[in-house]
Amino acid sequence: DIQMTQSPPVLSASVGDRVTLSCKASQNINKNLDWYQQKHGEAPKLLIYYTNNLQTGIPSRFSGSGSGTDYTLTISSLQPEDVATYYCYQYNSGYTFGAGTKLELK
Amino acid sequence: EVQLVESGGGLVQPGASLKLSCVASGFTFSDYWMSWVRQTPGKTMEWIGDIKYDGSYTNYAPSLKNRFTISRDNAKSTLYLQMSNVRSEDTATYYCTRGNWELDWGQGVMVTVSS
Repeated sequence: DIQMTQSPPVLSASVGDRVTLSCKASQNINKNLDWYQQKHGEAPKLLIYYTNNLQTGIPSRFSGSGSGTDYTLTISSLQPEDVATYYCYQYNSGYTFGAGTKLELK
Repeated sequence: EVQLVESGGGLVQPGASLKLSCVASGFTFSDYWMSWVRQTPGKTMEWIGDIKYDGSYTNYAPSLKNRFTISRDNAKSTLYLQMSNVRSEDTATYYCTRGNWELDWGQGVMVTVSS
């Protein structure tokens, strides 16, 4: 089974900060990775698909990158409404979620 | 707009059975693979399994294969998850999702296993 390790578990940042969340796979997942945002009490929502494709309706401050085993979600200028937990998800071999990064405002 | 509405959750005793439903709208249900994902109270996400668009093939997480069964009724645009011999560790919010990547999610339904 492919394991997905997200870091950091919790990230505190200020409005306007550039924020980077990391996701590392236990083996090459060939960019078969999505990012999901889950706000408190809500269902997850697709942000980025296939590593770097922005889902329709998602603000352009969100971007994704990566290859092989290492992937990144970047928020270029953090907004208050971005407070949420972010999950990476691989579908290259089986289907596995990371444990999430909880993003808080400082 | 894709809509997925789960139902059938609640409090259930250990060893009992429970069947969850998910009614889909806003897309042609019979064109899509569908899946179930659950989230534990500790927020861990786990893929449960999926079913082919015509219902002819199912696939499960190995740890759940013997107790969970996924089915669908394309005429009713409805996905099902039959859970049997439930355990306390099955306590979670269960989500219906469209596809196995680029997931669209329902709002989720809570299942609590407790005596």
